[in-house]
Amino acid sequence: QKEVEQNSGPLSVPEGAIASLNCTYSDRGSQSFFWYRQYSGKSPELIMFIYSNGDKEDGRFTAQLNKASQYVSLLIRDSQPSDSATYLCAVFIGNSGYALNFGKGTSLLVTP
Amino acid sequence: EPEVTQTPSHQVTQMGQEVILRCVPISNHLYFYWYRQILGQKVEFLVSFYNNEISEKSEIFDDQFSVERPDGSNFTLKIRSTKLEDSAMYFCASSTGTGVQPQHFGDGTRLSIL
Repeated sequence: QKEVEQNSGPLSVPEGAIASLNCTYSDRGSQSFFWYRQYSGKSPELIMFIYSNGDKEDGRFTAQLNKASQYVSLLIRDSQPSDSATYLCAVFIGNSGYALNFGKGTSLLVTP
Repeated sequence: EPEVTQTPSHQVTQMGQEVILRCVPISNHLYFYWYRQILGQKVEFLVSFYNNEISEKSEIFDDQFSVERPDGSNFTLKIRSTKLEDSAMYFCASSTGTGVQPQHFGDGTRLSIL
């Protein structure tokens, strides 16, 4: 069974701080990794994706991938209360249908 | 910005009835997907669809489920005889094409089976 693991949280950070969200995956053949944000009762919203080892930055967000250690992380700089949501890590399984395997998500709470 | 649209937003159905969930993917997208999320649980893959046929399906997607692209814009998920455990949010997603492309999700249909 190919697993995607995330700490369920809640992760609480003060406004303006850096939030660090982590995800590990079991399938060493996993190729691409996606971070989605999901507000309560809403659909997943794509934040960014990464498929090469190293860092990828987009505005306040940085994704980090380490394939050797099988983890991917998301850093949120200058966290805002509006960033409070559940962050979903999704891994492309590698089959022909491009199905995504989601983790259960980490709940982030940014306190004013 | 182009969106994936889903209708209805909420569907209430008696157990054993058939239900059809509808989706309009983003217009230039070629891959279409259905996922579901049972309350409090993770998002689960159901099926992917490309070039008018199923590309991949999960164990959840059994004979009770079917998908169809009846015209150039709509993509539907049919559940033939609903069970209580089919109650969930159903999300449609689409992506631009072959290769690993980001999937963009619709707002979902909340399906409640009574």
